[in-house]
Amino acid sequence: AQSVAQPEDQVNVAEGNPLTVKCTYSVSGNPYLFWYVQYPNRGLQFLLKYITGDNLVKGSYGFEAEFNKSQTSFHLKKPSALVSDSALYFCAVRFSGGYNKLIFGAGTRLAVHP
Amino acid sequence: DTAVSQTPKYLVTQMGNDKSIKCEQNLGHDTMYWYKQDSKKFLKIMFSYNNKELIINETVPNRFSPKSPDKAHLNLHINSLELGDSAVYFCASSQAGAGGANVLTFGAGSRLTVL
Repeated sequence: AQSVAQPEDQVNVAEGNPLTVKCTYSVSGNPYLFWYVQYPNRGLQFLLKYITGDNLVKGSYGFEAEFNKSQTSFHLKKPSALVSDSALYFCAVRFSGGYNKLIFGAGTRLAVHP
Repeated sequence: DTAVSQTPKYLVTQMGNDKSIKCEQNLGHDTMYWYKQDSKKFLKIMFSYNNKELIINETVPNRFSPKSPDKAHLNLHINSLELGDSAVYFCASSQAGAGGANVLTFGAGSRLTVL
């Protein structure tokens, strides 16, 4: 079965420190992986995606993610967290059966403290 | 100038009623979706239409009926509402492209509360 796991419900980090939000996946074939962010009372916004190529993908707002095939992981990272990064982050994998159907993880709440 | 707009933003209704949520996108995308986000923030796809054709239909009660009059609109009608239907419903759209890894643009959501 294809799935995405985000093992942490919440990640707390001090402003200015690096942050990591973890994601692991299980999918048949080559994975198409995504990160989206949701601010309170808003829809999800696209951050970045991995399809093929360089394992380190750069996205919006200074975020990046590293694809690791052997560990089936796609962790989201940022070198220096901002208070405004506080939000709900979703990892997603495209269902290999096509039709651009995304399977989302349960979400990780990122809290950045001043 | 909202790219994906949903109405209404909030909907409070009684069990057993029928209600509709409308969605429109002005991005020229050819694919639209409905997602349901429950109280624990878990997000699950319900339906997807490509150029007015239903292409994804998850295990959703048949009280839920999507309708796409054209590729810019995807509406969701719900009959005989139940308490468990309370959730935030998100509309999204995307444009098919090479590789099939299409980015979704989401609306702001419609919060449905069934009393």
